[in-house]
Amino acid sequence: GENVEQHPSTLSVQEGDSAVIKCTYSDSASNYFPWYKQELGKRPQLIIDIRSNVGEKKDQRIAVTLNKTAKHFSLHITETQPEDSAVYFCAALGTYKYIFGTGTRLKVLA
Amino acid sequence: DARVTQTPRHKVTEMGQEVTMRCQPILGHNTVFWYRQTMMQGLELLAYFRNRAPLDDSGMPKDRFSAEMPDATLATLKIQPSEPRDSAVYFCASGTGDVQPQHFGDGTRLSIL
Repeated sequence: GENVEQHPSTLSVQEGDSAVIKCTYSDSASNYFPWYKQELGKRPQLIIDIRSNVGEKKDQRIAVTLNKTAKHFSLHITETQPEDSAVYFCAALGTYKYIFGTGTRLKVLA
Repeated sequence: DARVTQTPRHKVTEMGQEVTMRCQPILGHNTVFWYRQTMMQGLELLAYFRNRAPLDDSGMPKDRFSAEMPDATLATLKIQPSEPRDSAVYFCASGTGDVQPQHFGDGTRLSIL
């Protein structure tokens, strides 16, 4: 069935360093890939997304890359700050529903 | 700023009681999703609707859970009877059904004693 694998499950980086989170999807028909950030006790919020006709998208310190052939997509956060600490979820849009990864807990150490 | 509205935000009740959670999707959104999340774990899809019709509720324990959309502005998730293992945060999300993100409500934090 449809599946999204996300790695790593936890990630600790020093403030100012970069963080990379990787996801692999199984449904070759998936054409939309959002990323959500969830802070403790809050709702998941969209931070960036990418469509299958684009290989890369940037928004300030955040970027997402997509490799359709390998069915991989990744989130890159540069110059990390303590407020980037949260759980990040990747997702792939299947037929009407989103398949979520299992989440990455990012800790940015000051 | 359009938002998905969920009520109640918190619910504490004893096992065996009926629990009803409500969701008002963003106006104009025609897909609604119910998720369950425990201890900041992954998002478990329970059910989803498109144009008020249930498309998939295979993630939901059928014997005690039920999900409905009485109209386009209201989705409900009911648990009867509730059990301690149902304690979790239940999120509702809505979307337009095409290549656009879904938006989450603030969730209902449910505790079954």
